[in-house]
Order: sequence, then structure tokens, then C-alpha cells
Amino acid sequence: DVKVTQSSRYLVKRTGEKVFLECVQDMDHENMFWYRQDPGLGLRLIYFSYDVKMKEKGDIPEGYSVSREKKERFSLILESASTNQTSMYLCASSGDRGRMNTEAFFGQGTRLTVV
Amino acid sequence: AQKITQTQPGMFVQEKEAVTLDCTYDTSDPSYGLFWYKQPSSGEMIFLIYQGSYDQQNATEGRYSLNFQKARKSANLVISASQLGDSAMYFCAMREIAGNNRKLIWGLGTSLAVNP
Repeated sequence: DVKVTQSSRYLVKRTGEKVFLECVQDMDHENMFWYRQDPGLGLRLIYFSYDVKMKEKGDIPEGYSVSREKKERFSLILESASTNQTSMYLCASSGDRGRMNTEAFFGQGTRLTVV
Repeated sequence: AQKITQTQPGMFVQEKEAVTLDCTYDTSDPSYGLFWYKQPSSGEMIFLIYQGSYDQQNATEGRYSLNFQKARKSANLVISASQLGDSAMYFCAMREIAGNNRKLIWGLGTSLAVNP
């Protein structure tokens, strides 16, 4: 069974802390994504990666960075957490670059609260 | 610009009845794919069904079917024989082949409540 695993389900951090959200997939997918989801705003893409060490900005990259040192792992980093980064964070992966019908598989989500 | 519109923020349906969730899209690319996902209260996004722009037939997956009307740029999800477990958020998404086809464009979702 395909799997995308996020390291934490719930996380509470203090303002100014450096926060790491980890995501691991076991499907050998090339593409990995980080989204944040807020009520009324849907899913917004933060960053994505289509290969090891490659990354591209999504729609809302400010305040975030990412790391992809290995194909199966994609980390989201909040350099200095702020209260407006309180949100649900979703990691996803997809394979077969160039094929249209490859769906994205999602992790269970991390609900981050910054206090 | 690419865009997905889901006009129904919330929907109610009686158990065992069918329900249609609307999705319209905007793209200038002739080649694209359309996806529907379900998100229960647990938070995980679950893939339901896919429709390609060149597919001749409407996609079906069990109780899910897609009413694809290309000229109207709509891709409505039909859930037949609703069950209580269908209560969730439903998202429509699109991928274009032009440019960067790795990204999905998302609608804001429709919240479906199934009443017993």
C-alpha cells in the first residue's frame, strides 16, 4: 500500500522557533509537494520538488524553505515561526513525470499551532 | 489563467440518495487532467477519480462518476447511493500539460453532509 508519512500529526511551537516538518514517501516518486490549508482558502502550494536537491517556489513560499537531500524525504522548514503560520500542513507526492493521470498521494497532515 | 471554481461551499444529501458536486475550470491548454479528492475530518486527502481532457468516456469509480462537459468546462462529481461515511470536504483539481505539469490547481472545496 502506497504511503506518505508526515512526522507529526499535531505540533505546538513558540514564536521565533525554527520548525521542521518532515515527509517521507515509499513510492519512489519524483515529485513532492508541501501545501498549507486554511479555512476558506483551500490548499495553497508552498514549495515543490521534482528531483533530489531540486526545489521550486509555489504560490506562498515566504517564510518557508525546503530541503530534499534524498528522493524519499522532503522537509519543510519554518525559519522563524510566526503566529500567522498556524495552519494545517499537507505533504504530497506524485510519480511518472509527464503522465497526466498520475494522482498525488497525501500524508495525514500536520496541524501546527504557533503560540 | 488556470482556475478551478467550486460554487457550493456546503451541500446536504439524504442517505442513499445521489448528489452532484459542481466543478468548473478555466484553461487555455487543450490537454489537461481533472481530479477529485475527498478529505474526511481526519484530514487526509483521498484520491477519488480522474478525467483526462481527451477521454471519450466519463470516468467512473464505484459509486463515483464524473459528469464531464468539455464545452462548458465543467467536471461535476456524482456520488450515487450516498453513505454516512461520504460526509467530508470534496476538492476538484486540475493539472495542465503545458508548462509545469507537476502542479495541481485546486478549488476551494465543497463540504458534504449526509443525513441519516
